[in-house]
Amino acid sequence: AQKVTQAQTEISVVEKEDVTLDCVYETRDTTYYLFWYKQPPSGELVFLIRRNSFDEQNEISGRYSWNFQKSTSSFNFTITASQVVDSAVYFCALRTPYNQGGKLIFGQGTELSVKP
Amino acid sequence: NAGVTQTPKFQVLKTGQSMTLQCAQDMNHEYMSWYRQDPGMGLRLIHYSVGAGITDQGEVPNGYNVSRSTTEDFPLRLLSAAPSQTSVYFCASSRGQADSPLHFGNGTRLTVT
Repeated sequence: AQKVTQAQTEISVVEKEDVTLDCVYETRDTTYYLFWYKQPPSGELVFLIRRNSFDEQNEISGRYSWNFQKSTSSFNFTITASQVVDSAVYFCALRTPYNQGGKLIFGQGTELSVKP
Repeated sequence: NAGVTQTPKFQVLKTGQSMTLQCAQDMNHEYMSWYRQDPGMGLRLIHYSVGAGITDQGEVPNGYNVSRSTTEDFPLRLLSAAPSQTSVYFCASSRGQADSPLHFGNGTRLTVT
């Protein structure tokens, strides 16, 4: 069965600090897809990034970067020079192959609080 | 662009009442799904559909029914509401590929008293 674990329930940092959100996943599939979503206090779910299981290149987008390591089944998310607007709940998710239903399985989420 | 539209935004029910949460998308997405969000538990999949006429159960299907008669609509029915169904419900859709991200509606906050 597929599972996503975000061990950090809450993280609090001061503005301009770097912060890493951890995500560990379990799956027996050789092809799978990993996602990160952001849920700001307003409540909507915003897609941030997608990574395929066969693409282990790290990705950087502005202050955001993602480190995907199949050897440790991890897909960690780093925010550099955090800002108050980064305060949100962040979800890591694993999507099963479409011929198995294409279900998106979420971790429990990490609530990030960035204080000025 | 409307995207995924959920109605109502808020609802209060008494135990035993029934209701339907509506979900519509205008992106011609094959895949649609319903999640519930509870504190500390992330989002849990209730039901999903890979196309019109096809539905299947997710992690927490008990107490909920769905149908998919059109590509655009995927209503979620609570047949006899229970306090344990108090939650925030999200509908989501995507193209029919597993690498396609889900697009979410803005959610329905349901309280069952």
